[in-house]
Amino acid sequence: EDQVTQSPEALRLQEGESSSLNCSYTVSGLRGLFWYRQDPGKGPEFLFTLYSAGEEKEKERLKATLTKKESFLHITAPKPEDSATYLCAVDDNFNKFYFGSGTKLNVKP
Amino acid sequence: GAVVSQHPSRVICKSGTSVKIECRSLDFQATTMFWYRQFPKQSLMLMATSNEGSKATYEQGVEKDKFLINHASLTLSTLTVTSAHPEDSSFYICSARDTAGGTYEQYFGPGTRLTVT
Repeated sequence: EDQVTQSPEALRLQEGESSSLNCSYTVSGLRGLFWYRQDPGKGPEFLFTLYSAGEEKEKERLKATLTKKESFLHITAPKPEDSATYLCAVDDNFNKFYFGSGTKLNVKP
Repeated sequence: GAVVSQHPSRVICKSGTSVKIECRSLDFQATTMFWYRQFPKQSLMLMATSNEGSKATYEQGVEKDKFLINHASLTLSTLTVTSAHPEDSSFYICSARDTAGGTYEQYFGPGTRLTVT
């Protein structure tokens, strides 16, 4: 069965303290891995798409990487406004998204 | 670009009534739209996949007669919750895929908070 697991469930950082979020997946055929940010009471906001192992994408303080079994979202020198839940999703070849349960990030000033 | 809107953002209805939620892709055409449900502190659960001009595909356990989906145009999909009950109270989110862009990411609407009293 296709699965997406995110860790940790929650992460508390001090402003400026870099860290990484993990998304491990098992799907029969990966068409793409996606990272989203979700603020409370809002829909997910698209961040990155990764298609193949070794690929990397960057946006401001965020950098996403992909291997054959997992993806990392690296946050460099985070700010309080980076506080949100970060969701990982994979698209198998059958046009479906499988979402992980998310990592709730809290960045303290 | 890639903006998806939903209307209404919040709705309160009485048990037994029906509620319609609209999902629009504002600046792109979407042959495929998706409807999700999210409970507090949980991730998104796919309810159905909506294809323009054809019947929606529902996930296992989702009642198609209760959650009616219509994808009448390339920019509009609607979800109607029929005979709503308190257990249908949830956060409903739609997403759309920009098929002309040749990529697979989904762009999400802001969500609709449904409360059934």
